[in-house]
Amino acid sequence: DGGITQSPKYLFRKEGQNVTLSCEQNLNHDAMYWYRQDPGQGLRLIYYSQIVNDFQKGDIAEGYSVSREKKESFPLTVTSAQKNPTAFYLCASSIEGAQYYNSPLHFGNGTRLTVT
Amino acid sequence: EDQVTQSPEALRLQEGESSSLNCSYTVSGLRGLFWYRQDPGKGPEFLFTLYSAGEEKEKERLKATLTKKESFLHITAPKPEDSATYLCAVQAYGTASKLTFGTGTRLQVTL
Repeated sequence: DGGITQSPKYLFRKEGQNVTLSCEQNLNHDAMYWYRQDPGQGLRLIYYSQIVNDFQKGDIAEGYSVSREKKESFPLTVTSAQKNPTAFYLCASSIEGAQYYNSPLHFGNGTRLTVT
Repeated sequence: EDQVTQSPEALRLQEGESSSLNCSYTVSGLRGLFWYRQDPGKGPEFLFTLYSAGEEKEKERLKATLTKKESFLHITAPKPEDSATYLCAVQAYGTASKLTFGTGTRLQVTL
């Protein structure tokens, strides 16, 4: 079955360490996204990529970095510069192109990161 | 700045007790309004896209409607398996595929 795989489901890190969250999709979607979800807040966009080897900052990119070397993969690194990294991180993808007007986002099942 | 406000924050219904969830939005130019369902510890699951005022879409016990300022998600005769958090999001013209999400309505349906 096609879908988005995020790993690991739970991740624990010590403060000051960088950590990389994995996101892989086999939907052949062009665009991929990273959102952060905190209790009582809406999903907030961290980074997005509409094509391989290109990505743009979202609303809360500070302290995060991404790469898009392959169409299927969009890893997110949470750096030690991120002040409040503990959160639920969601990866999503969508089809791009005028013929797929308003195609919805398809989400993975998230990675819960806890930094102590 | 695009904004989405969902109400109520939480809703408890008995099985069979119909109700509606509200999504009020402010957007520079609405390209689409999306409804998602999210179960605890899971990613959001797509339900509907609405494009213009007056549009309605249905799926099983759910019906979504859209006006120029808000959207409603009507739940008819809900069952316990409808318990979830329902998220609303808007996409504005000129924002690529970026969505602005509301904080969601947490629905609990009891026997």
